[in-house]
Amino acid sequence: NAGVTQTPKFRVLKTGQSMTLLCAQDMNHEYMYWYRQDPGMGLRLIHYSVGEGTTAKGEVPDGYNVSRLKKQNFLLGLESAAPSQTSVYFCASSYRGAGNQPQHFGDGTRLSIL
Amino acid sequence: EDQVTQSPEALRLQEGESSSLNCSYTVSGLRGLFWYRQDPGKGPEFLFTLYSAGEEKEKERLKATLTKKESFLHITAPKPEDSATYLCAVQTDLMDSNYQLIWGAGTKLIIKP
Repeated sequence: NAGVTQTPKFRVLKTGQSMTLLCAQDMNHEYMYWYRQDPGMGLRLIHYSVGEGTTAKGEVPDGYNVSRLKKQNFLLGLESAAPSQTSVYFCASSYRGAGNQPQHFGDGTRLSIL
Repeated sequence: EDQVTQSPEALRLQEGESSSLNCSYTVSGLRGLFWYRQDPGKGPEFLFTLYSAGEEKEKERLKATLTKKESFLHITAPKPEDSATYLCAVQTDLMDSNYQLIWGAGTKLIIKP
């Protein structure tokens, strides 16, 4: 049972570089989310999607873009990485909305921006 | 401003020593409160959902309770494998259930054998 798979697991970037984080789920969930987790803070929602072809902004969307071209995949892009984007990024999915059903999380991508 | 605060930040217990973790919330109206467990290097894993004051849920050595101002995660006779960070999240009446939760920073629980 794969669940939610995130790639890559680790990445180091230089300021100004771009990259894409990939999230894939095999549970046929409609809803998908991207969070960032920083020390001493709660999870913060970056962007989310309520179905294939849809995306919406969360609490901290600036500097990130997302796409959901296929139901099972949710991509998070950093166009021009900044040191403030050093964090652990988690993808999650759920059958219904986060307030209605438990979310299933991937194991995270640890991203460092130098 | 809606807020979720977890205490303590870290808790060290001996194996078998029972204790409680706290999640206090200041929100306009609670729709649901969620507990998750997070192991080092892993994503959060769902434990419980509580909806109304007085509600209790149990799973193995864990029991979650809810009042109008806070939730407790009681751990009875813990084992080393219960060591993890425990996260609390809240949804309020004003929130869009599609995505909006307020997350606490977590309590890191360490159980020594």
